Amino acid sequence: AIQMTQSPSSLSASVGDRVTITCRASQGIRNDLGWYQQKPGKAPKLLIYAASSLQNGVPSRFSGSGSGTDFTLTINSLQPEDFATYYCLQDYNYPWTFGQGTKVEIK
Amino acid sequence: EVQLVESGGGLVKPGGSLRLSCAASGFTFSNYNMNWVRQAPGKGLEWVSSFSSSGNFIYYADSVKGRFTISRNNAKNSVYLQMNSLRAEDTAVYYCARMSWFGEFDYLDHWGQGTLVTVSS
Repeated sequence: AIQMTQSPSSLSASVGDRVTITCRASQGIRNDLGWYQQKPGKAPKLLIYAASSLQNGVPSRFSGSGSGTDFTLTINSLQPEDFATYYCLQDYNYPWTFGQGTKVEIK
Repeated sequence: EVQLVESGGGLVKPGGSLRLSCAASGFTFSNYNMNWVRQAPGKGLEWVSSFSSSGNFIYYADSVKGRFTISRNNAKNSVYLQMNSLRAEDTAVYYCARMSWFGEFDYLDHWGQGTLVTVSS
C-alpha cells in the first residue's frame, strides 16, 4: 500500500498567518491527491481534489500544489474557522490511504 | 441536497457482528461509487472499502479484508457494511462517503455524520 507521510503533525498559528502542510507519497501518485478538513465531532470536508483543484464553495485562501510524490496545502490568511485537522488522501490506487493528519491550533 | 445518513452502530462483543447502513438521498445513487471510512477515537482517518456504481469493483483495506463485506441496493439508495469477527481495534466512527469524479480524478465530496461502533466485552 502507498504510504502518505504528512507533516507537521501539529502546528500553532495566528489569525492572518500563512500555513503550509505537506504530504509525501511513498511512490508516485501523479496528482491523485485530495485534502480534507475535519473539525471536532464532524465529518471530514473536501477542500482540494486532483492536488490543486478547489472544491466548489471552498474559500480561495485554500490552495494545493504538487505532483508525483510531494504535495502541499497552503492556507493564506488563516481565519478563525480554519482551526481544524487536515488530512491528505491518495486516490491513485487501492487501498486508498490518508496521511496521519495535521492539527492546526491557535497560537 | 445530497444527504448520507448512517445507522446500525452500537456496542458489540469481540468476535461479534454488526451491519451498518447508509441511506442516500438528493442524487442519483446508482451513478456513484460509495465508500466507507472510519476513525478510531482520537485517531486519524482510515479508508475501509469502496463499491463501484457498476458493481464491478469492490475494494477493501487489508485490515478488514475477509471480515467485512460491502454491498449496495440501488433500489433502496443504500450502501451497507457487514462487519464480522469484530475486534477491539475496529472500534471507530464509521463514515459513509460518496465518491465523485472530474475527468480521471476521484474524490470524496459528501460524507455522512458517522455512526459509532464500539467493540468491547
